Amino acid sequence: KAGVTQTPRYLIKTRGQQVTLSCSPISGHRSVSWYQQTPGQGLQFLFEYFSETQRNKGNFPGRFSGRQFSNSRSEMNVSTLELGDSALYLCASSSGQGHTGELFFGEGSRLTVL
Amino acid sequence: AQSVTQLDSQVPVFEEAPVELRCNYSSSVSVYLFWYVQYPNQGLQLLLKYLSGSTLVKGINGFEAEFNKSQTSFHLRKPSVHISDTAEYFCAVSVPGTYKYIFGTGTRLKVLA
Repeated sequence: KAGVTQTPRYLIKTRGQQVTLSCSPISGHRSVSWYQQTPGQGLQFLFEYFSETQRNKGNFPGRFSGRQFSNSRSEMNVSTLELGDSALYLCASSSGQGHTGELFFGEGSRLTVL
Repeated sequence: AQSVTQLDSQVPVFEEAPVELRCNYSSSVSVYLFWYVQYPNQGLQLLLKYLSGSTLVKGINGFEAEFNKSQTSFHLRKPSVHISDTAEYFCAVSVPGTYKYIFGTGTRLKVLA
């Protein structure tokens, strides 16, 4: 069974630009979560979607947004990029029903803001 | 609110030696506890989890962890490490029903030959 796929894997942007990252979950998984990973900070929760509805969100500014489509694929968008947005953005999927706890992570999209 | 503290940012250990990676958490409500591993240039992979029941949890690759409610700890152990265990290890907690995981800052395990 194919794993979680994130695109693009690497990208470079300049301050003020916006970026859209994509995540295709494991087939049958309806929950998609997004995390920002930076050195020394670990993983910070951005938001979680289930059946196109945002069920929870972290403490990030409104420049960070996301959505989920009817096929469970998800996108996250960051507008007006800042240098501090440089990070590895990880997407994770799960069945989303019950709470067995296992998240399946993609390899991430590494964003560099210049 | 919940928080997770991984006290050691880096742990060097010789091959075939035992290792313990420490994790402490803070929460006013019951939580689920997890350990994930991240190999270079990869996403995270679940090692083991504690939801309820026996406080000693066994995971993949010979790892185990013990939940200690009184000390709010969930330390990860392996009796004999291999070079291939070199990776970053993350402890995480989740409050049931929130679908949100709080991760620690990670511990880099470096296994030396």
